[in-house]
Amino acid sequence: EAQVTQNPRYLITVTGKKLTVTCSQNMNHEYMSWYRQDPGLGLRQIYYSMNVEATDKGDVPEGYKVSRKEKRNFPLILESPSPNQTSLYFCASGSLPAGVTDTQYFGPGTRLTVL
Amino acid sequence: GENVEQHPSTLSVQEGDSAVIKCTYSDSASNYFPWYKQELGKGPQLIIDIRSNVGEKKDQRIAVTLNKTAKHFSLHITETQPEDSAVYFCAASIRDSGGYQKVTFGTGTKLQVIP
Repeated sequence: EAQVTQNPRYLITVTGKKLTVTCSQNMNHEYMSWYRQDPGLGLRQIYYSMNVEATDKGDVPEGYKVSRKEKRNFPLILESPSPNQTSLYFCASGSLPAGVTDTQYFGPGTRLTVL
Repeated sequence: GENVEQHPSTLSVQEGDSAVIKCTYSDSASNYFPWYKQELGKGPQLIIDIRSNVGEKKDQRIAVTLNKTAKHFSLHITETQPEDSAVYFCAASIRDSGGYQKVTFGTGTKLQVIP
């Protein structure tokens, strides 16, 4: 089954404790991205990657890091989490160059709470 | 950058009635407009999309219209059913020189279909 998986699905942590949220896709997609979803703000892009070893900032990259060492994996790293990073996070993937559709496939989400 | 506004933020309709969600965008270079449905506890899923060279697209009970001159697009759901209850996001995207589609999402509409 074609899918994007994220782990963990839920995480409660404390300020300053480094954490990593993993993302993996099995569709051989070149493009992967991380979004955060906050009430009233919709989905905002954090980082994206066009291919292995190619990452770039989205609209809200501060406080986050990413890496793309393998095509299927795109982990999101919070080196020193703060309460304002409490949010619902989504990983997404898509094919490049875009064909008939430019659709992105989203993972199930990771709800992060930073105390 | 692109700005996408979405209205209404919440919408309640009786089962069998129609629902309309409207979005406006700011950048006339946007050329791809997807709509995503997010069910509770899940990631957004594409339900329909439209390109800038098309004015209307229909898929069973769902239709999307695009007015490039006015820079607005709308989602129409007819004969609503309880399973249509979800949060709907519109988005507008622009392809940059590297082939990447920069996607900007609206803030979402929570649709409730009352049986």
